[in-house]
Amino acid sequence: TQLLEQSPQFLSIQEGENLTVYCNSSSVFSSLQWYRQEPGEGPVLLVTVVTGGEVKKLKRLTFQFGDARKDSSLHITAAQTGDTGLYLCAGDSGSARQLTFGSGTQLTVLP
Amino acid sequence: NAGVMQNPRHLVRRRGQEARLRCSPVKGHSHVYWYRQLPEEGLKFMVYLQKENIIDESGMPKERFSAEFPKEGPSILRIQQVVRGDSAAYFCASSPGRVGNTEAFFGQGTRLTVV
Repeated sequence: TQLLEQSPQFLSIQEGENLTVYCNSSSVFSSLQWYRQEPGEGPVLLVTVVTGGEVKKLKRLTFQFGDARKDSSLHITAAQTGDTGLYLCAGDSGSARQLTFGSGTQLTVLP
Repeated sequence: NAGVMQNPRHLVRRRGQEARLRCSPVKGHSHVYWYRQLPEEGLKFMVYLQKENIIDESGMPKERFSAEFPKEGPSILRIQQVVRGDSAAYFCASSPGRVGNTEAFFGQGTRLTVV
């Protein structure tokens, strides 16, 4: 069974601060996706990383896929209150059968 | 709105009743996934279906749970004789199913409460 561990589980920061969320596994994934989920809503896809070492930027969000394709990180610069939400990473083993989700990082950005 | 549509958004059932959760995928998507989420947790895979076929049900409890994706109409997740432990948010996702592309688009979920 492939497992994805996310850390930290909870993170509360002030607006304007930077933060990094980690997603780690002992398994290799063909691709890894990051989602953001707000209360009462479904997860919304933010980005997909495919190549080992790949870095993708989405405005103030920077996503990195580890060289060995076993881990990933999400860095947010100058966090805003609108960034508050549950951030989920999900790995695709390549079988196209299912995504394995991490347990999530609940981010709260305080004004 | 051409996104994944789930209904109902909220469902309350008494112990022992049946719960039926419906999911209409994005137009043109032939692959549907069901996930379950407990409060403050990630999503747990339940079942993966293509039209008229169950591809992978390794995450589905062996008893009381079933899923279908008929040729016409929405995908249905059915829970018979619900128990309190079935209370959770159930999410459906769809994808086009192209090889190498598992990007999934999620619905807003059905929140099942068993009383």
